[in-house]
Amino acid sequence: QSALTQPPSASGSPGQSVTISCTGTSSDVGGYNSVSWFQQHPGKAPKLLISEVSKRPSGVPDRFSGSKSGNTASLTVSGLQAEDEGDYYCSSFGGSGSLVFGGGTKLTVL
Amino acid sequence: EVQVLESGGGLVQPGGSLRLSCAASGFTFSSYSMTWVRQAPGKGLEWVSSISGAADYTFYADSVKGRFAISRDNSKNTLYLQMNNLRAEDTALYYCAKAVLVLKDGLDAWGQGTLVTVSS
Repeated sequence: QSALTQPPSASGSPGQSVTISCTGTSSDVGGYNSVSWFQQHPGKAPKLLISEVSKRPSGVPDRFSGSKSGNTASLTVSGLQAEDEGDYYCSSFGGSGSLVFGGGTKLTVL
Repeated sequence: EVQVLESGGGLVQPGGSLRLSCAASGFTFSSYSMTWVRQAPGKGLEWVSSISGAADYTFYADSVKGRFAISRDNSKNTLYLQMNNLRAEDTALYYCAKAVLVLKDGLDAWGQGTLVTVSS
């Protein structure tokens, strides 16, 4: 149950696109199409942005998109807006009923 | 509206016990897996435990296995986490989260969390 690897920080200017990576192993990210992405603002609960690698729940803007290649998943935020600033976490099903999270990435909108 | 609301957190001494509750509303509780996730102060998210809708399967992180017990009462739409032999490293905000359907599908509804502090 080792944590997934995310870059500690990412940044971009308003209107630009930014991609956050999430690297695991063949036992989690690479083994299942069960990667989720969450957004967390300070003092708030996490919010689901993407499930099952690329599915967007209703209400989540299509500026947020997810993908996966091998053991690495990615979240792309297009058309960056000021309100996108916050912490982003990936998670993956790890088999045997387990879930593993990434360490989180702090996104700064310049 | 789907809602989950945690309660039961507080200050407890090392070695002590605490029981967290999570009251759910706005969905057919028994049809969904439920999960506890914690976040230590200033740190990232950590999966703690999950339970299937019918409570026939339970799963635990290695860090809490043998000390924590997850359960649910579908007649009361309530999820529980019994925490025993608490350690300083269990200090965290504990979130209750609803699965999209089962755990592998993602967690689509989160409460605001209940704070557990383990300290003498």
